[in-house]
Amino acid sequence: NAGVTQTPKFRVLKTGQSMTLLCAQDMNHEYMYWYRQDPGMGLRLIHYSVGEGTTAKGEVPDGYNVSRLKKQNFLLGLESAAPSQTSVYFCASSYGIQQYFGPGTRLTVL
Amino acid sequence: GDSVTQMEGPVTLSEEAFLTINCTYTATGYPSLFWYVQYPGEGLQLLLKATKADDKGSNKGFEATYRKETTSFHLEKGSVQVSDSAVYFCALSDPVEGAQKLVFGQGTRLTINP
Repeated sequence: NAGVTQTPKFRVLKTGQSMTLLCAQDMNHEYMYWYRQDPGMGLRLIHYSVGEGTTAKGEVPDGYNVSRLKKQNFLLGLESAAPSQTSVYFCASSYGIQQYFGPGTRLTVL
Repeated sequence: GDSVTQMEGPVTLSEEAFLTINCTYTATGYPSLFWYVQYPGEGLQLLLKATKADDKGSNKGFEATYRKETTSFHLEKGSVQVSDSAVYFCALSDPVEGAQKLVFGQGTRLTINP
C-alpha cells in the first residue's frame, strides 16, 4: 500500500496563477482532509470531506476550492494564487480517529 | 472555539535526558487528544493518543496522560535518543459527521545532541 500520496512535491507559482494539488489514498478511507502548515502556527484545516461527492469548509477555506469526485482522490484548487498562500500543504485521510498524512507539497507564490 | 497551546521551542537536550513537552487545551466537549511527530522532510505520524479522561497513551517510550481537571496532555520520555529529534505536535479532535477535524498546537522542535 502506498498510503497517502500527494502530487506535486514542490511548485512555484506567480501571483494570479492557478493550480490543483492532488491527494490520493489507497486505504478506502471515507474521510479526507487538506491542511496548511505555516511556521509557528502548526497545521490548520482548509477543507475536508466525509465521503465521495461531499466537501466542507475548515478553519481557513478562503481562496481554496476542493472536489471529491472519487473516493480515493481529494483535489485542492487555487484559482488565483496569492503570496499569502505560500505554505506546505498536507493531505490526510482517516477511518477511525487516526489520520494518515501524505508527505506534503511545498508551494511558493511569488 | 477549541484550541491547543504547546510549550514554546525549540528544545535542545542531551542524549538520555528526560523530556517533557507541555500541552494544554480548551474545548467545549470531550475531545480525543493526540501527539503527532514530524521527522525532517516528512508528513506527520501519529505518536500516541488518548480518547477519554485519565487514559494514558504510550508508544516508543513516550507517554502522555489525558488530564481533564488540568486540561493537559503533556508528553514525556524518560531517556531520549538522537533519533527522537523531530517536531512534535499536540492536537485535539473535533468530530463532525464521523470526520475528525484536528486542531493543532504550534509544534515544538526537539533536538537531541549525542
